[in-house]
Amino acid sequence: KAGVTQTPRYLIKTRGQQVTLSCSPISGHRSVSWYQQTPGQGLQFLFEYFSETQRNKGNFPGRFSGRQFSNSRSEMNVSTLELGDSALYLCASSLGLGNTIYFGEGSWLTVV
Amino acid sequence: AQTVTQSQPEMSVQEAETVTLSCTYDTSENNYYLFWYKQPPSRQMILVIRQEAYKQQNATENRFSVNFQKAAKSFSLKISDSQLGDTAMYFCAFMNYGGATNKLIFGTGTLLAVQP
Repeated sequence: KAGVTQTPRYLIKTRGQQVTLSCSPISGHRSVSWYQQTPGQGLQFLFEYFSETQRNKGNFPGRFSGRQFSNSRSEMNVSTLELGDSALYLCASSLGLGNTIYFGEGSWLTVV
Repeated sequence: AQTVTQSQPEMSVQEAETVTLSCTYDTSENNYYLFWYKQPPSRQMILVIRQEAYKQQNATENRFSVNFQKAAKSFSLKISDSQLGDTAMYFCAFMNYGGATNKLIFGTGTLLAVQP
């Protein structure tokens, strides 16, 4: 069974641009969540989707958005990129509430 | 709000020795889940062990075991017979039970180095 797949793995963007990251969950998993990992702030929850609905959102500005498609694949978008958005973005999936959460390898975003 | 604290930023252990990583948490909930995740240099988060708060028995997974002290809100991870491949950042995480979300709250991590 394939794990959580994130694309792209590495990308470099310029300040002010926007970026879209993609996540394909484990087959059958309907919950997809996103985390931002930085040296200064550690691991922070961005948002979670279940059956195309956002169930929860972390404390991030409106520049950070996401969505989930009918096949459970998810995308997150960051608009008007800032230098501080440079981070490892981790996607995770699970069957549902309370089930084990599995992570992808992450997408490394560098904003210059 | 729930918080997770890992007070040991770095630890070192000799190969084949035993090491214990500490984690404390704060919550007013009675039922919840606790996890230890491992993040090796590849940066992929790998689940090490999971504990349900309503279970009194400590979880074990091969060389990994936990000491769950609910009253003290403590959740330590013991790694026995440490191996070089155990070198990684270890994160303790908390999740509410019965909530409407799968949100994980992470500690700041402990960087474990296993020395040959």
